[in-house]
Amino acid sequence: TQLLEQSPQFLSIQEGENLTVYCNSSSVFSSLQWYRQEPGEGPVLLVTVVTGGEVKKLKRLTFQFGDARKDSSLHITAAQPGDTGLYLCAGSNTGNQFYFGTGTSLTVIP
Amino acid sequence: ETGVTQTPRHLVMGMTNKKSLKCEQHLGHNAMYWYKQSAKKPLELMFVYSLEERVENNSVPSRFSPECPNSSHLFLHLHTLQPEDSALYLCASSQTTGTPTDTQYFGPGTRLTVL
Repeated sequence: TQLLEQSPQFLSIQEGENLTVYCNSSSVFSSLQWYRQEPGEGPVLLVTVVTGGEVKKLKRLTFQFGDARKDSSLHITAAQPGDTGLYLCAGSNTGNQFYFGTGTSLTVIP
Repeated sequence: ETGVTQTPRHLVMGMTNKKSLKCEQHLGHNAMYWYKQSAKKPLELMFVYSLEERVENNSVPSRFSPECPNSSHLFLHLHTLQPEDSALYLCASSQTTGTPTDTQYFGPGTRLTVL
């Protein structure tokens, strides 16, 4: 089993603050994905990164894949209540097996 | 129509019951997946089907039996479950398998409680 540990596990911040969520592993992955899951729904893909050192931006969200392709970070600028949810990272090498992280539960308080 | 639908959304069953979870995807995908999401544990992949053939079975107990009659439908048959099997069961689909950059589209899940 290839473990992905996410930190922090829980995060509660005020609207307008910035935050960073981390996803770390001792394993190398060909790709790493970030998902957001809202209560009562399944996870929704936000981004896929495949190249070591790659940075992708999605509006106020910035995703980075580590140079060694073992870790990733998600940075949110000026968080809004709509960003509230469970953030999951998932790594894969084969495409048949995606290893999910432990998740970060984010609450943005208006 | 929502991309991936699951029924029922909630299910309560006794340990001796037999029930089935249903998943349907309307995206024209060739691969479908069953995941288990338990509190305080990472999402666990249970089964993967590609073109109706099972390609992954991650040491799941035999009390869980998947069925994929065609590329749009996926079932998870349940029998003699244990209370620790209570969890959110998520279905997902993707265009193909075997590609690490595939996008998986998840359904809303079935919240299962085993008494």
